[in-house]
Amino acid sequence: QKEVEQNSGPLSVPEGAIASLNCTYSDRGSQSFFWYRQYSGKSPELIMFIYSNGDKEDGRFTAQLNKASQYVSLLIRDSQPSDSATYLCAVNAPGNMLTFGGGTRLMVKP
Amino acid sequence: DAGVIQSPRHEVTEMGQEVTLRCKPISGHDYLFWYRQTMMRGLELLIYFNNNVPIDDSGMPEDRFSAKMPNASFSTLKIQPSEPRDSAVYFCASSPHGAGSNTGELFFGEGSRLTVL
Repeated sequence: QKEVEQNSGPLSVPEGAIASLNCTYSDRGSQSFFWYRQYSGKSPELIMFIYSNGDKEDGRFTAQLNKASQYVSLLIRDSQPSDSATYLCAVNAPGNMLTFGGGTRLMVKP
Repeated sequence: DAGVIQSPRHEVTEMGQEVTLRCKPISGHDYLFWYRQTMMRGLELLIYFNNNVPIDDSGMPEDRFSAKMPNASFSTLKIQPSEPRDSAVYFCASSPHGAGSNTGELFFGEGSRLTVL
């Protein structure tokens, strides 16, 4: 079983809709959770991080964390074609490392 | 700041040849990470350094892979001899405080795309 699991997609949503991206992790000791966005042919870039149970909002993005269920999600409101990318969930591993999920490809159709 | 700088951006080589990938981290960042990305396996951590010292190399696939960080501004990842299954994008990333801290953002370079024929 992979340590960080994501549905590979593609997840297709119409422009203006809410995109919901999900991630589960196996290490109950994990404390830090990150969402990275990666455009095709580019490097990953951080868009959000969350440490506490509950929701964290930043503009059109909301990260949700449920440690009891070992579940992290990212909601993108008012999705735009420019949001089309692969979204990588990352979880801190023991030490100072990040373990990445396989990523979910999001397609926002005009 | 110029960000994390990697070279070469693209490398095409033949099986059995030595490959050296280079990375210059962001000045002042104490942590440097080497990741490999493939369609099949996603983004995998190969090795990371703290203050130029290798801390965890458990992700290095085999003895053909080696990494060094002779000073705070330079690191290399070497593959000798290279094999077709090494074809991937290799990312270098740096971080000021490490990936597990509350400011654990990794800053990635643009990657080195390696093709081994």
